[in-house]
Amino acid sequence: NAGVTQTPKFRILKIGQSMTLQCTQDMNHNYMYWYRQDPGMGLKLIYYSVGAGITDKGEVPNGYNVSRSTTEDFPLRLELAAPSQTSVYFCASSWPASGIGNEQFFGPGTRLTVL
Amino acid sequence: DAKTTQPTSMDCAEGRAANLPCNHSTISGNEYVYWYRQIHSQGPQYIIHGLKNNETNEMASLIITEDRKSSTLILPHATLRDTAVYYCIVRVVDSGGGADGLTFGKGTHLIIQP
Repeated sequence: NAGVTQTPKFRILKIGQSMTLQCTQDMNHNYMYWYRQDPGMGLKLIYYSVGAGITDKGEVPNGYNVSRSTTEDFPLRLELAAPSQTSVYFCASSWPASGIGNEQFFGPGTRLTVL
Repeated sequence: DAKTTQPTSMDCAEGRAANLPCNHSTISGNEYVYWYRQIHSQGPQYIIHGLKNNETNEMASLIITEDRKSSTLILPHATLRDTAVYYCIVRVVDSGGGADGLTFGKGTHLIIQP
């Protein structure tokens, strides 16, 4: 299993440009997540999904959009890039685990700079 | 989810046990204690979690006090590769299966000294 893969690894955008960060998992996990991590800080949840066709906002969704057409893929879209979106973006996935807890598996991250 | 408090940084000698404390004095009865770590520039990695009882796996041990207001993560024989930021996270895992995300604080930067 490759686990959670993310592309690209690095990207520089100009203000106002748009891009899609790709995330794919091969563990057949129902749940998928997008986080961002600013320098020296913990991760913050942007969006999450409990299955194909179902998404929901996290703590910091403004400026982002997501879709979930398949179990495997959960792309994150930035429509009008702003310097405040300079960050490292992590995708994660997990099984549901009612009542007993579960672990999230994280991808290697995409480092995005907006200039 | 309850708030957690961790020291900003800690040092430990290679080969010794690393004991990382976490305070979660407002924890509720249905909240689990999770530990993740993040090695520089990588995605976070799950270590262990528990509700009431002490837990052990191949990576670490988790000791939760009887009143559940604090816990300690123990890495029994720390190596240089254990240098990382360690996050203590408290979260509810309800019948919905834990669909919401994790709330990360700033964690403890553990530095293993040779």
